[in-house]
Amino acid sequence: GESVGLHLPTLSVQEGDNSIINCAYSNSASDYFIWYKQESGKGPQFIIDIRSNMDKRQGQRVTVLLNKTVKHLSLQIAATQPGDSAVYFCAENSGGSNYKLTFGKGTLLTVNP
Amino acid sequence: GAVVSQHPSRVICKSGTSVKIECRSLDFQATTMFWYRQFPKQSLMLMATSNEGSKATYEQGVEKDKFLINHASLTLSTLTVTSAHPEDSSFYICSARLAGGTDTQYFGPGTRLTVL
Repeated sequence: GESVGLHLPTLSVQEGDNSIINCAYSNSASDYFIWYKQESGKGPQFIIDIRSNMDKRQGQRVTVLLNKTVKHLSLQIAATQPGDSAVYFCAENSGGSNYKLTFGKGTLLTVNP
Repeated sequence: GAVVSQHPSRVICKSGTSVKIECRSLDFQATTMFWYRQFPKQSLMLMATSNEGSKATYEQGVEKDKFLINHASLTLSTLTVTSAHPEDSSFYICSARLAGGTDTQYFGPGTRLTVL
């Protein structure tokens, strides 16, 4: 089965609110995690990444939190905008030399104006 | 930086024909490129890992004779879908990892293949 999964397949928020997208992973050997944003008909766009030696990383309006104890990853988007509407995927790298990523199922974020 | 392009963006072909999709890293060298396929409302499924100058490594269940991958240079990988059938219709996406860089993969815009 999937080694990376998401609790919520869809998330609807009001413009200006903060969004939190969650992801659970099962491979304790994973040492690198990435969040991607995919708009309809386009390829995934890199948002933010985090290594397993960190528990928090911030970017512009986005924050990724990593809880290795419970194997949980989250993406927080501050002041969500209509342009943030997309499918968000978490991906993990288990540290192998082939650099392969395993993707979660994705969460559809809809921002209501 | 880290821009990946794909060509064509859309292709419609008849059943039984072959289709070639190109993936290029425009502003960086990519030792490793990856090919994914994605069905509607589903996640990305890795098909194969392509290393420059060597044979591609295919994921379990992916037919290497049907999905031919060539990684002839540090900026170009191609995926050829041979003898395409309607069930091969999908969204094909490539990604590239910077040579000597981190594990980060940068994705192309994808190619929509429709087989009639």
